Amino acid sequence: SAVISQKPSRDICQRGTSLTIQCQVDSQVTMMFWYRQQPGQSLTLIATANQGSEATYESGFVIDKFPISRPNLTFSTLTVSNMSPEDSSIYLCSVSPGWAMNTEAFFGQGTRLTVV
Amino acid sequence: GQNIDQPTEMTATEGAIVQINCTYQTSGFNGLFWYQQHAGEAPTFLSYNVLDGLEEKGRFSSFLSRSKGYSYLLLKELQMKDSASYLCAVSNQGGKLIFGQGTELSVKP
Repeated sequence: SAVISQKPSRDICQRGTSLTIQCQVDSQVTMMFWYRQQPGQSLTLIATANQGSEATYESGFVIDKFPISRPNLTFSTLTVSNMSPEDSSIYLCSVSPGWAMNTEAFFGQGTRLTVV
Repeated sequence: GQNIDQPTEMTATEGAIVQINCTYQTSGFNGLFWYQQHAGEAPTFLSYNVLDGLEEKGRFSSFLSRSKGYSYLLLKELQMKDSASYLCAVSNQGGKLIFGQGTELSVKP
């Protein structure tokens, strides 16, 4: 299994500012994903972080709002830009082993973001 | 479109058996996952089905019927610590997961 370190674990931010969330994996993985979980809701995929190229965003999410970096096979960042209270959510990094896309996805412990 | 349905909440008694159903309609299918999520924590993997049939893992079993777009998670010998949200998720392409809304299970003494 993969061990994922995500930080910060939580933060309280002022509206209009930006927060960068880091995701570090203890082994090289092909696929890294970023999810959002709004209060009382299930998980929604924001984007796939592609190594060496731009992230692939899901409908409703754009690069200007959620820029993503993936400089290598073990690390990715998600930035939540120009935050508003509606961005208050848990943000989760997820990885799948590179050798088989259809096995379990592992999740980081999440970043609980509150925007005031 | 993509649609995954599961009951919003269920209640069961300690020691009993509970079955949580999940139906799905997705543009592709590369497997179905069940996750457990306790409040304030990240989801943890429970099971994965890609072929029809039953997968058993201790007190937890998961069933899949691809032709019916249907799965269930079976929890036996319920314990109080099993009170959590149970998430059904389908992998459709490229390792991405589409999640259902989750079923909040309350286990009563």
